[in-house]
Amino acid sequence: GAGVSQSPSNKVTEKGKDVELRCDPISGHTALYWYRQSLGQGLEFLIYFQGNSAPDKSGLPSDRFSAERTGGSVSTLTIQRTQQEDSAVYLCAINGNWDRYNEQFFGPGTRLTVL
Amino acid sequence: AQSVTQPDIHITVSEGASLELRCNYSYGATPYLFWYVQSPGQGLQLLLKYFSGDTLVQGIKGFEAEFKRSQSSFNLRKPSVHWSDAAEYFCAVGPGGYNKLIFGAGTRLAVHP
Repeated sequence: GAGVSQSPSNKVTEKGKDVELRCDPISGHTALYWYRQSLGQGLEFLIYFQGNSAPDKSGLPSDRFSAERTGGSVSTLTIQRTQQEDSAVYLCAINGNWDRYNEQFFGPGTRLTVL
Repeated sequence: AQSVTQPDIHITVSEGASLELRCNYSYGATPYLFWYVQSPGQGLQLLLKYFSGDTLVQGIKGFEAEFKRSQSSFNLRKPSVHWSDAAEYFCAVGPGGYNKLIFGAGTRLAVHP
């Protein structure tokens, strides 16, 4: 998606390992969201950042999941002690600017596979 | 509870045929409504949105959608489907601004030549 890059594009890990997923929006976007897309669960909201703070963490599924954002820019989603049910595509999104601020634009996602 | 229902999991149409994908929502306030498309191996692309005003909205790639408040629906339509429209389509709802979106489960569209 225009304006948002994510890395890595694919990540394969073993059960029990920690993983870090990165979202890098172009500058000037104060709002940033993480969503998860998994089989059987569809697209679920995880967490929302306004600047560096997260006013809405309601979608994080367990305390193994955490996220931070630094400098109002790059965000990292960390999953500790990964489980097989964490396998999914993790998507990052930003709001548009100016008259498109009600719209969300998504990055290409990170496909996480937990073996 | 806030939710989005897309009743059709899979739809198959012939190329050139018309298309309608259904979306029903449950939302306490006036919703902002969206349709996104996800092609195989691609990210989510915004097709169109409804915020207010004219209830028939036009989007990219020849798609349109009609908001019907009385039916809590926001169905997506296209008069003539192209093979390249084969993808998964997601309806979403939110309060607008800097807030999360709630997505439907998606409808996977297959197009036969």
